[in-house]
Amino acid sequence: AQKITQTQPGMFVQEKEAVTLDCTYDTSDPSYGLFWYKQPSSGEMIFLIYQGSYDQQNATEGRYSLNFQKARKSANLVISASQLGDSAMYFCAMRDLNRDDKIIFGKGTRLHILP
Amino acid sequence: DGGITQSPKYLFRKEGQNVTLSCEQNLNHDAMYWYRQDPGQGLRLIYYSQIVNDFQKGDIAEGYSVSREKKESFPLTVTSAQKNPTAFYLCASSIGGHVVNEQFFGPGTRLTVL
Repeated sequence: AQKITQTQPGMFVQEKEAVTLDCTYDTSDPSYGLFWYKQPSSGEMIFLIYQGSYDQQNATEGRYSLNFQKARKSANLVISASQLGDSAMYFCAMRDLNRDDKIIFGKGTRLHILP
Repeated sequence: DGGITQSPKYLFRKEGQNVTLSCEQNLNHDAMYWYRQDPGQGLRLIYYSQIVNDFQKGDIAEGYSVSREKKESFPLTVTSAQKNPTAFYLCASSIGGHVVNEQFFGPGTRLTVL
């Protein structure tokens, strides 16, 4: 069965430091996609970054990068040079590409950036 | 501007009443989804639709109903059978099909049962 695990319910990080948010996943499908979303206090869900299971390189989008370790089934999000506006909930999500269009989400990590 | 709209933003209902949450998208996406989020929790899938006139139950479909008569619209009805309906409801859409694609989300509706 598919499963996403985020073990850090909350994190506090000093502004301008880099932060790593952990995500592990479980699937028996060799073809899958991994996503990270940000949810500010307003409630909207903002797509940040995507990694395909066959992608050779780790995905990067601006200050966001995904540390993809396939053998460990790990897809950690790295935010470089954190800003106060990065304070939010962050969700890791996964979709098995050979199944339907469902995406499953982890329980999230609440990130607090300290000035 | 392309996007997803949900209305209303805040909704109050009396216990025992049905209520319908609106979700409209102009992204020409085939797939649409409804999620429920409780305080401090992740998203749980209620229903999803991969194509017009077709939809499937998600993980917590009991007490909810949907319709997909038009590609752009995927309304969710919270029925009186839903035992604890107070929550934040998010609608999303994606291109669909066997293509890797992210979901785009609406701003959400906060439902409170009085």
